[in-house]
Amino acid sequence: GAVVSQHPSRVICKSGTSVKIECRSLDFQATTMFWYRQFPKQSLMLMATSNEGSKATYEQGVEKDKFLINHASLTLSTLTVTSAHPEDSSFYICSARDPRINTEAFFGQGTRLTVV
Amino acid sequence: AQSVSQHNHHVILSEAASLELGCNYSYGGTVNLFWYVQYPGQHLQLLLKYFSGDPLVKGIKGFEAEFIKSKFSFNLRKPSVQWSDTAEYFCAVNAQRGTYKYIFGTGTRLKVLA
Repeated sequence: GAVVSQHPSRVICKSGTSVKIECRSLDFQATTMFWYRQFPKQSLMLMATSNEGSKATYEQGVEKDKFLINHASLTLSTLTVTSAHPEDSSFYICSARDPRINTEAFFGQGTRLTVV
Repeated sequence: AQSVSQHNHHVILSEAASLELGCNYSYGGTVNLFWYVQYPGQHLQLLLKYFSGDPLVKGIKGFEAEFIKSKFSFNLRKPSVQWSDTAEYFCAVNAQRGTYKYIFGTGTRLKVLA
């Protein structure tokens, strides 16, 4: 089946630094990947849609300069949280669409980011 | 606005008890419906999904869910829970046409006491 791998699973960084999170499709080519964020006791909220070879599409209210998304290949999308602050601490999860399967996307295991 | 509501944030049950987790959605078009489970430190794992046809769907690990269109509901059930069902459960929808964007509920943390 379609497998999506996310790395790292946990990261702690200092305030003001940048953190990169990777999302890889292991056994399929993903033309589209999605990045979600989950605040404590809240839903997973879609942040942006990452399209291979083109600019990401950000949801309303998401700062594109803060959350840089790069989808340079068909198997890898990266989310970089720039100049991280404690309020960026959250659970980030990616999903990817397998073009052979029209009905659903597949999720990575998520990344717990803590900014201290 | 599109939304998914899960009524219970925390549920504690004893082993062998029956489980029902509520999920209601608000969406103007035809949707696909999903229940996901996330065990501690693990991937979001698909439990079951509904696209069309029989509104009673059976998933993995003995879970089932019933789509009631008139109530915009997709409740998850299991007749007899086990300690290993301790996890967080998410209800989600996506639009049936064209998009793979998911709208998630807030999640329900289930704890099963041995």
